[in-house]
Amino acid sequence: DGGITQSPKYLFRKEGQNVTLSCEQNLNHDAMYWYRQDPGQGLRLIYYSQIVNDFQKGDIAEGYSVSREKKESFPLTVTSAQKNPTAFYLCASSNRQANTEAFFGQGTRLTVV
Amino acid sequence: QKEVEQNSGPLSVPEGAIASLNCTYSDRVSQSFFWYRQYSGKSPELIMSIYSNGDKEDGRFTAQLNKASQYVSLLIRDSQPSDSATYLCAVKEVNRDDKIIFGKGTRLHILP
Repeated sequence: DGGITQSPKYLFRKEGQNVTLSCEQNLNHDAMYWYRQDPGQGLRLIYYSQIVNDFQKGDIAEGYSVSREKKESFPLTVTSAQKNPTAFYLCASSNRQANTEAFFGQGTRLTVV
Repeated sequence: QKEVEQNSGPLSVPEGAIASLNCTYSDRVSQSFFWYRQYSGKSPELIMSIYSNGDKEDGRFTAQLNKASQYVSLLIRDSQPSDSATYLCAVKEVNRDDKIIFGKGTRLHILP
């Protein structure tokens, strides 16, 4: 089945630690996105990538880093510089060549303990 | 900065009535418009997409787009309790930076 897989579903981080959230897609999409969602809020764009080895900052990139070494993969690292990382993180992908929507993974819920 | 604005609600609608959700956007070059439904704790799922001015119908859902007014709406006919969710409006520029920007969502509550 084609789709987007995020792992883990739940993640706990200690203060001062970096953690990496995984996102893999087998939809052959060029564009991939990371969003953050806080309770009762919409989706805010962290980073996005249109092609391999290229990515751009979204609206709230501070304290996060990404890489795009493969078309299928777009991991997100939440660094210790992100002061309030507890949130629901959503990865998505879309087809650049067509007027199509973003397809979402199941999300990763990150909690700082 | 591109913005997508939605009334956060909650919007309460009696079962069987029409629910009307609205969205405005700031960027005139936006080309693709989407409505997503999100249940609590879950990821968003696409309800409707619309690309040209006018109405687009799919079952109980109708999306309406007015690019001159930078306005997109979603109508839900014969509202059901299972329609209770948060509805997110999203806009995308195609062949530019491909950013997809979301509104904050409108919480819809269908009253049995």
